[in-house]
Amino acid sequence: KAGVTQTPRYLIKTRGQQVTLSCSPISGHRSVSWYQQTPGQGLQFLFEYFSETQRNKGNFPGRFSGRQFSNSRSEMNVSTLELGDSALYLCASSLATSGSSYYNEQFFGPGTRLTVL
Amino acid sequence: GDSVTQMEGPVTLSEEAFLTINCTYTATGYPSLFWYVQYPGEGLQLLLKATKADDKGSNKGFEATYRKETTSFHLEKGSVQVSDSAVYFCALRKNTNAGKSTFGDGTTLTVKP
Repeated sequence: KAGVTQTPRYLIKTRGQQVTLSCSPISGHRSVSWYQQTPGQGLQFLFEYFSETQRNKGNFPGRFSGRQFSNSRSEMNVSTLELGDSALYLCASSLATSGSSYYNEQFFGPGTRLTVL
Repeated sequence: GDSVTQMEGPVTLSEEAFLTINCTYTATGYPSLFWYVQYPGEGLQLLLKATKADDKGSNKGFEATYRKETTSFHLEKGSVQVSDSAVYFCALRKNTNAGKSTFGDGTTLTVKP
């Protein structure tokens, strides 16, 4: 079974631009979560999508948004990039059957390394 | 809110030494607890998990026991190898917010031959 894939792996943008990152979950997985990893703040939860609906959201400004498609693939978008947005963005997928997804393991992709200049 | 605290690193050990990485958590309810490992340039891999008090998770020689009385989930390995060098993250998840994992800051382990 193919793992979680993220594209692109590396991105360089300048301040003020916007960026879209893509995540393809493991086949059959319906939940996709996004995390930002930085040396200063560690791993922080951005949001989770399940069946095309945002189910949970972290404490990030509205410049960070996402969506999920009917095939469970997800994209996240960051508008008006700031230097502080430079980070590794990780997505994770899980089966997350409706109801409690408590025990479902999250499988992480390799991440997209975003550098904002 | 929920939080996870890991022992500060980095940790440097000689091969075959005993490893302990401390992890404590603060959370309401009954979270599941996890240890993840991250190798350079890669995402996170689940190392082990425990879903209720007194559960012991184990994998590849690593172990951790869910201690509700001390709100801890310390990672141990009896004999580390050079290949264990990586960053280790302790995390919790709750079924009231199951898509969200709360992570500790990570502990960098370097094992020298």
